[in-house]
Amino acid sequence: EVQLVETGGGLIQPGGSLRLSCAASGFTVSSNYMSWVRQAPGKGLEWVSVIYSGGSTYYADSVKGRFTISRDNSKNTLYLQMNSLRAEDTAVYYCARVLRVAATGGWFDPWGQGTLVTVSS
Amino acid sequence: QSALTQPRSVSGSPGQSVTISCTGTSSDVGGYNYVSWYQQHPGKAPKLMIYDVSKRPSGVPDRFSGSKSGNTASLTISGLQAEDEADYYCCSYAGSYTGYVFGTGTKVTVL
Repeated sequence: EVQLVETGGGLIQPGGSLRLSCAASGFTVSSNYMSWVRQAPGKGLEWVSVIYSGGSTYYADSVKGRFTISRDNSKNTLYLQMNSLRAEDTAVYYCARVLRVAATGGWFDPWGQGTLVTVSS
Repeated sequence: QSALTQPRSVSGSPGQSVTISCTGTSSDVGGYNYVSWYQQHPGKAPKLMIYDVSKRPSGVPDRFSGSKSGNTASLTISGLQAEDEADYYCCSYAGSYTGYVFGTGTKVTVL
């Protein structure tokens, strides 16, 4: 069964750092495009970052320079390192596999259950 | 990158059809045939319903259909059922550097 499980969320003070993990089963992370999407409380979905199978990474302007997406092939796990956290980063963070036919585009499936990050003093 | 525009809410009685619009620009919806739609029930993770504008994953009922015209994509739910009551989000690819952009979300209410 294809599954994603996020961990690492919690309460963190503004300016702090946190690393989220997303353990995959049923498929190989390094052979796929993988992404992070977040959802602030009561708000809509916001794309955060993507890592291509070749290793290229891209970020939303709102997190560029503060967040880093990476993966550990030996652990089949995706990560999101979040630095200089702000109150507006408070959200449920989902990881998702990006399926696609061409080299670009794609759709998100499946999604993990999400992990809540709360940035507050 | 601004969010794609969706109506805040739509509603219909069981058995009726509802259509949700998703309006973007020529840099996202209008520029690529990479529009997907997601269903989200309260407290749950989003679920893929439509990909590549109009393709339906296995397991998704055929009463869900997608289309696109210019800068606007649409999701139609035919034969509305109680379990279809949820939030729906569109998403479009917007180029390598911009990545992906989601819609503002639409709450579907079954009357």
